[in-house]
Amino acid sequence: ETGVTQTPRHLVMGMTNKKSLKCEQHLGHNAMYWYKQSAKKPLELMFVYNFKEQTENNSVPSRFSPECPNSSHLFLHLHTLQPEDSALYLCASSQDDREDEQYFGPGTRLTVT
Amino acid sequence: LAKTTQPISMDSYEGQEVNITCSHNNIATNDYITWYQQFPSQGPRFIIQGYKTKVTNEVASLFIPADRKSSTLSLPRVSLSDTAVYYCLVVEYNNNDMRFGAGTRLTVKP
Repeated sequence: ETGVTQTPRHLVMGMTNKKSLKCEQHLGHNAMYWYKQSAKKPLELMFVYNFKEQTENNSVPSRFSPECPNSSHLFLHLHTLQPEDSALYLCASSQDDREDEQYFGPGTRLTVT
Repeated sequence: LAKTTQPISMDSYEGQEVNITCSHNNIATNDYITWYQQFPSQGPRFIIQGYKTKVTNEVASLFIPADRKSSTLSLPRVSLSDTAVYYCLVVEYNNNDMRFGAGTRLTVKP
């Protein structure tokens, strides 16, 4: 138990669906991250939020839309995804966005059909 | 960002010490060396971080030679539960831009 929870743990969606991934951290951290982990690729950083403000967008397609309403919650809104977007989506948090030690959630296994 | 190179996989047996070496020839002055561990179907977990010489915590030791072009993660007396992927990262001080490579898949056998 890392103090970072993600829901749902598994999600299957069609290419025309809209869904959202949720992440919540109970560590009092100020920075939150979304990562993508595909079967054939290393872990890729997608977005960084620090004190609710987005500080990094790693050239992520607009079909992925993050939202950070407060420092404890992070969402990833998904729409019109492609099969190649199937992956494990991991959320992480750290004290701030300059802290190397990040705490990861268990991930959401997403399958796009 | 300094690129890291580490073995794709390693096998060991319970009770042995395991040393995983990572090369980072282009490491910069402001870079720290950080190791993460990832079990199947879980997110990575921070293990240890160091700048030079030796760092030890309750989980592992990290050895960094004077030139800092490589580092070795040492896991004492591994058990089956240490089977995981271990990632070596070089991270600029005060910068959270962590680039994960393929990692080393460690398999501990009985």
